[in-house]
Amino acid sequence: QVQLVQSGAEVKKPGSSVKVSCKASGATFTSYTFSWVRQAPGQGLEWMGRVIPILDIANDAPKFQGRVAITADKSTSTAYMELSSLRSEDTAVYYCVREVAVAGVVPYFDYWGQGTLVTVSS
Amino acid sequence: DIQMTQSPSSLSASVGDRVTITCRASQGINNYLAWFQQKPGKAPKSLIYAASSLQSGVPSKFSGSGSGTDFTLTISSLQPEDFATYYCQQYDSYPYTFGQGTKLEIK
Repeated sequence: QVQLVQSGAEVKKPGSSVKVSCKASGATFTSYTFSWVRQAPGQGLEWMGRVIPILDIANDAPKFQGRVAITADKSTSTAYMELSSLRSEDTAVYYCVREVAVAGVVPYFDYWGQGTLVTVSS
Repeated sequence: DIQMTQSPSSLSASVGDRVTITCRASQGINNYLAWFQQKPGKAPKSLIYAASSLQSGVPSKFSGSGSGTDFTLTISSLQPEDFATYYCQQYDSYPYTFGQGTKLEIK
């Protein structure tokens, strides 16, 4: 069955970086694209960007451009999200989300990872 | 960015009720509208894509409709497991954006 397994919780200092991984199984990795969505405590959902593994192309939300790097490793079927220059407002649960990418159809979300809590605190 | 506005922000209903949640986009989104369900402490679950298409394994008690800028999620015959927070999302253009959420509570 499809699984997206994310790396464990992180505690980081302001100004540092964090890299969260998302290992996909149960389907051909390059047949899909992957987005990252975050959720601050008690808040709603915020899209950060996405990666197209088969093309090695990423699209980032303007809010995070210059601070986020979303990549994919086809050899290990793993997507990554690295966020730099961390501040307290980046404290959130970060989710990877698989997108169904079928020719002629705009990719849409289907499976979600379990989430990774990143806490930014001095 | 496209703004997504859900109403109501919260809703109280009883087991067995039928409820409708509305989502309005600030501009047309070509029906690239999805709905998600989230329970406390859990990852969201995908329910609907393309405004009205059910994700695999989602029961038919969930239905979506709408076009252009106005969309609805209807849940029929509410059961205890349906009480959760629901989000809409547009994926017509970057950056993808979500509604603020609708918390469905037991009356």
